[in-house]
Amino acid sequence: DAKTTQPPSMDCAEGRAANLPCNHSTISGNEYVYWYRQIHSQGPQYIIHGLKNNETNEMASLIITEDRKSSTLILPHATLRDTAVYYCIVRVASSNTGKLIFGQGTTLQVKP
Amino acid sequence: EAQVTQNPRYLITVTGKKLTVTCSQNMNHEYMSWYRQDPGLGLRQIYYSMNVEVTDKGDVPEGYKVSRKEKRNFPLILESPSPNQTSLYFCASRPGGGVFYEQYFGPGTRLTVT
Repeated sequence: DAKTTQPPSMDCAEGRAANLPCNHSTISGNEYVYWYRQIHSQGPQYIIHGLKNNETNEMASLIITEDRKSSTLILPHATLRDTAVYYCIVRVASSNTGKLIFGQGTTLQVKP
Repeated sequence: EAQVTQNPRYLITVTGKKLTVTCSQNMNHEYMSWYRQDPGLGLRQIYYSMNVEVTDKGDVPEGYKVSRKEKRNFPLILESPSPNQTSLYFCASRPGGGVFYEQYFGPGTRLTVT
């Protein structure tokens, strides 16, 4: 699975958009970009995934660059409850082990 | 409500005293796994199971056992716990089949071994 690089921490004002970047320059053609988050020692929570196209769901948007070497998770209107560690994971969708490799992630602090 | 449950949520025990952490899911998922999370090391996979009676080692299986006698349950067994197994443990599940996108995680079990 490709390695990812994320900034260790970011701040965001409540109500503003939070843009979390992720670099994955060694991503392969069949690897997806997944985002999970972990709110203070709770179980990780799936947010969104994408392969090539930009994706949007009720939680967030995922913007993937055309060369697929980087992506940005966007929380359009961050709330205090979005304070969490956000993990960008790159892997194939098909796997026997199902293992997710969580790096250090980005700690997002949403401030009032 | 679709969920993964773990029990107990918190446990303090002594070295060598056998313990079991239970994990149960109500989504009829074929695949289940256990992770441990330690500061600076992220989440590491301990064991996984692709279906009933099918289990395999993850990255850090030493000192742990698992069983999968029913689809919904995947207990983690520490036969002789040691202090280096003090950690935060998560159980996860997902549908079977080769392609998957989302895994569901339990709330975690914080284990302290003294």
